[in-house]
Parts: sequence; structure tokens; C-alpha cells
Amino acid sequence: EIVMTQSPATLSVSPGERATLSCRASQSVSSNLAWYQQKPGQAPRLLIYGASTRATGIPARFSGSGSGTEFTLTISSLQSEDFAVYYCQQYNNWPKTFGQGTKVEIK
Amino acid sequence: EVQLVESGGGLIQPGGSLRLSCAASGFTVSSNYMSWVRQAPGKGLEWVSVIYSGGSTYYADSVKGRFTISRDNSKNTLYLQMNSLRAEDTAVYYCARESGGIDYWGQGTLVTVSS
Repeated sequence: EIVMTQSPATLSVSPGERATLSCRASQSVSSNLAWYQQKPGQAPRLLIYGASTRATGIPARFSGSGSGTEFTLTISSLQSEDFAVYYCQQYNNWPKTFGQGTKVEIK
Repeated sequence: EVQLVESGGGLIQPGGSLRLSCAASGFTVSSNYMSWVRQAPGKGLEWVSVIYSGGSTYYADSVKGRFTISRDNSKNTLYLQMNSLRAEDTAVYYCARESGGIDYWGQGTLVTVSS
């Protein structure tokens, strides 16, 4: 099983600042990596797939990069609605594992 | 408009069985990869099972031999039959469509395994 490790566990950021979230895979997943946003009481929402492609309707302030084992989600200027938990997920191999999540909170 | 609506969750005793349903609209279940993903209270996401368009199925080790994923093409509905339920199966279960990551999620249905 591929283990996905996200860092940091919690990120405290002021509105308008940049947030950088990391995700590391225990072995290569090529570019088969997705990022999700989840708010309390809601289902996750797909932000990025293919490591760097924004899903439909996702604002340009969200960007993804990386391949192989190292990936990054960047939120260029945090808006109030961006404070949430973010998960990475590899879909290169079964089981399609998720990271443990990074909580982005208001500083 | 794509919609996924789960049903069938509830309170069940350890060792019991439950069948979850996911009614899809706006697309054809049998032409897509369809999954069940769960989230225990206050915890992260865990992929439970997937059924591919060709019919192949895969399961997480934690549920293998106890859960069965299936679909009814005539009803455009996905199912998860859960047997021999354990306390650690307590979670919100999401039905999901996969297309380079999961692009559509249901609202989730809560399964609580407790005596």
C-alpha cells in the first residue's frame, strides 16, 4: 500500500497570504495525484487532478505541482472560504490512498 | 446535472448487515468507475471499494471478504453490501464517481455500529 504523508498537519495563515501544502508518496505515483478540500459537515470537493490540473470551477488561486513522490498544493491568496481541511490522494495504485489531511486555519 | 444520493445508513449491532444504495442521475453508472469512500467521525478519508466500468472490483483490506460492491444498471444505482459489521466500520459512507480523482461525491450516509 502506498502511504501518503501530508505536512504540516495544521497551517495557520492570515487572509490574503499564501499557503503551501505538501504531500509525499512512499513510492512513485507518477502524476496520478488529486487534491480535495473538505469543510465541516460537507463532502470533499475535488480541486486538482493529474497533480496540476484544476477541476471545473476551481479558482485560479489554487495550483498544484509535482510528480513522482513529491507534490505541492498552493493557495496564492487565502480567502475566508478557503479555511478547511485539504487531502491529497493517489490513484495510481490500488488501494487508492489518501493523506491524513492538512487543516488550514485562520491565524 | 450530476447527482449522487445515498441511503441505507443507520444504527446496527456488531455482526449485523446493512446495504447502502446510491442513486445516480445525470450520468450512467455502468460507464464510469464508481467507488465508496468512508470517513470515521473526526478522522480522514478511506477508500473502501471500487467497481470499474468493465465490472472489476477492488476492496480495501479492512473490508475484504465482508463488503461487496455492485450496481444495478437498470436502476442506475450503486450498492455496498456490508456484512459482519464491526465498531471500526462506523463512519460516513460516501458514494463517488471517479474520473481522474473523484469528481462527484454524494452527501454521505452515516453508519453506526454499536450495541
